[in-house]
Amino acid sequence: KAGVTQTPRYLIKTRGQQVTLSCSPISGHRSVSWYQQTPGQGLQFLFEYFSETQRNKGNFPGRFSGRQFSNSRSEMNVSTLELGDSALYLCASSSLFPGIQEKAFFGQGTRLTVV
Amino acid sequence: AQTVTQSQPEMSVQEAETVTLSCTYDTSESNYYLFWYKQPPSRQMILVIRQEAYKQQNATENRFSVNFQKAAKSFSLKISDSQLGDTAMYFCAFMKSQGGSEKLVFGKGTKLTVNP
Repeated sequence: KAGVTQTPRYLIKTRGQQVTLSCSPISGHRSVSWYQQTPGQGLQFLFEYFSETQRNKGNFPGRFSGRQFSNSRSEMNVSTLELGDSALYLCASSSLFPGIQEKAFFGQGTRLTVV
Repeated sequence: AQTVTQSQPEMSVQEAETVTLSCTYDTSESNYYLFWYKQPPSRQMILVIRQEAYKQQNATENRFSVNFQKAAKSFSLKISDSQLGDTAMYFCAFMKSQGGSEKLVFGKGTKLTVNP
């Protein structure tokens, strides 16, 4: 069974640009969550999608957005990039069934560097 | 809001010995899940062990076991027979079991080094 796949693995962007990151969950999983990991703030929850609907959202500015497609693949977008957006962005997939918390499996992450 | 605290930023242990990583959490929920994740230098987050709060029995997975003290809101991880491959960051995490959300709240992590 293939794991969670995140693309690209590395990105370098310039301040003010926008970026889109992709996450393909484990086959059959319908929940996709996104996390930002930085040395200073640690792991912080961005948002979660289940069956194409955003179920939960963390405390991030509106520049951070996401969506989920009918095949459960998810994308997150960051507009007007700031230096502080440099981080490892992790995606996790879980939940074969609604309301049942399965184990969350993580991808290898996308390392975003904003210069 | 839930919080997770890992009070040991770094720890080290000799190969084959036992080490315990500490985690405390704060929540008003009665039903929830607790997790330990391992993040080696490759940055891949790997689930080590999972505990359901309604279960009194402590979870075990091979060399990994937890000491779950619900009243004290404590959830420590014991690694027995430590191996060099156990060197990694270890994160304790909390998830509510109601509300249909998969949101994980993480601690700041403990960097574990296993020495030969």
